[in-house]
Amino acid sequence: GQNIDQPTEMTATEGAIVQINCTYQTSGFNGLFWYQQHAGEAPTFLSYNVLDGLEEKGRFSSFLSRSKGYSYLLLKELQMKDSASYLCAAPSYNTDKLIFGTGTRLQVFP
Amino acid sequence: EAGVTQFPSHSVIEKGQTVTLRCDPISGHDNLYWYRRVMGKEIKFLLHFVKESKQDESGMPNNRFLAERTGGTYSTLKVQPAELEDSGVYFCASSQDIGQGYEQYFGPGTRLTVT
Repeated sequence: GQNIDQPTEMTATEGAIVQINCTYQTSGFNGLFWYQQHAGEAPTFLSYNVLDGLEEKGRFSSFLSRSKGYSYLLLKELQMKDSASYLCAAPSYNTDKLIFGTGTRLQVFP
Repeated sequence: EAGVTQFPSHSVIEKGQTVTLRCDPISGHDNLYWYRRVMGKEIKFLLHFVKESKQDESGMPNNRFLAERTGGTYSTLKVQPAELEDSGVYFCASSQDIGQGYEQYFGPGTRLTVT
């Protein structure tokens, strides 16, 4: 079976750092995506990891450990506009359909 | 470059009625996907077109749902007759290619409410 788990909600303060975790169980592995979704808008691509380690892109970084079935998204220097849902997703093995977690709703407070 | 567009943005219909959702992918993207998010649940795959052909329709819930992509450009998803449990947000996505790492670009979704 395939399953992706992530926390439902998180809160953080402007300027702080927050880490959103994601664990996955898939029948095979073909990488892991993170998307950001503001309310009422399209999910937008943040990162893709297929190899172990940390990938940094400005204020956002994504980490993957394939042996542990674990990923996290790290957001630094939080801004109010970072309040959104963050979706962890993995392609189903040998297909292109994405399997999503429920998303983590992050609220950033002043 | 224009993104993925969907129409309508919202639709409210009564149980038993028919609704047709439309998706225009990014120009040149052969791959088009439909997904759905029902209240409180995760986004779930419905089907995948490669050009005009259905590559994978394993996520279609039942035969009340019909997706088409004539000519390999835009796609429609028809629900007939609609039931209460069909309420949710229907997302369309497109990608340039398939395989490892190819990003799927999502549209803003159509929020369907069946009353």
